[in-house]
Amino acid sequence: TQLLEQSPQFLSIQEGENLTVYCNSSSVFSSLQWYRQEPGEGPVLLVTVVTGGEVKKLKRLTFQFGDARKDSSLHITAAQPGDTGLYLCAGEANDMRFGAGTRLTVKP
Amino acid sequence: EAQVTQNPRYLITVTGKKLTVTCSQNMNHEYMSWYRQDPGLGLRQIYYSMNVEVTDKGDVPEGYKVSRKEKRNFPLILESPSPNQTSLYFCASSGYRGQGYGYTFGSGTRLTVV
Repeated sequence: TQLLEQSPQFLSIQEGENLTVYCNSSSVFSSLQWYRQEPGEGPVLLVTVVTGGEVKKLKRLTFQFGDARKDSSLHITAAQPGDTGLYLCAGEANDMRFGAGTRLTVKP
Repeated sequence: EAQVTQNPRYLITVTGKKLTVTCSQNMNHEYMSWYRQDPGLGLRQIYYSMNVEVTDKGDVPEGYKVSRKEKRNFPLILESPSPNQTSLYFCASSGYRGQGYGYTFGSGTRLTVV
């Protein structure tokens, strides 16, 4: 059973479009992390959010932690082909739980 | 360069032939963990270790063994591999488990058991 539900599962867009992916749970987390994984490689940490309502920006990526610390979103502005990859969220409570990921394809 | 190194990257083996996947980190991290990644199921934890000589089961430990005799190394052992253990395996480490610090992952080991 996935404690973290990510949506959409797949997303294919054109370069320059904006997009938002979601990470939802019924559990409360002490922190939530987002990773990006490229084919043939391990996940790489993008950001950690720890405070309910927290917003962090990483260039064109905006991450938000829900007020109740149960959910999070990742918004990408003006997506580029280099953003293509599998985006994973992970929630930390007693242990670390990963979602199944959103596979993003950005076409030139 | 700070990293987690896994070997081998690719492995094809036969049912029942014991194998070991090695994992080593050079960051002096206390926490290490093994995950398997399968389509649609995400990353599932196999075993983890909070420190030397301390290991514990994750969500899917059946058929696997680990050891933590040194801080830097955390090998994954499959005593008698079966086809349902065909998967992509990742080792990860973290300096401060439970305090919002992220994981550093290895590049993965793609295992096929025939």
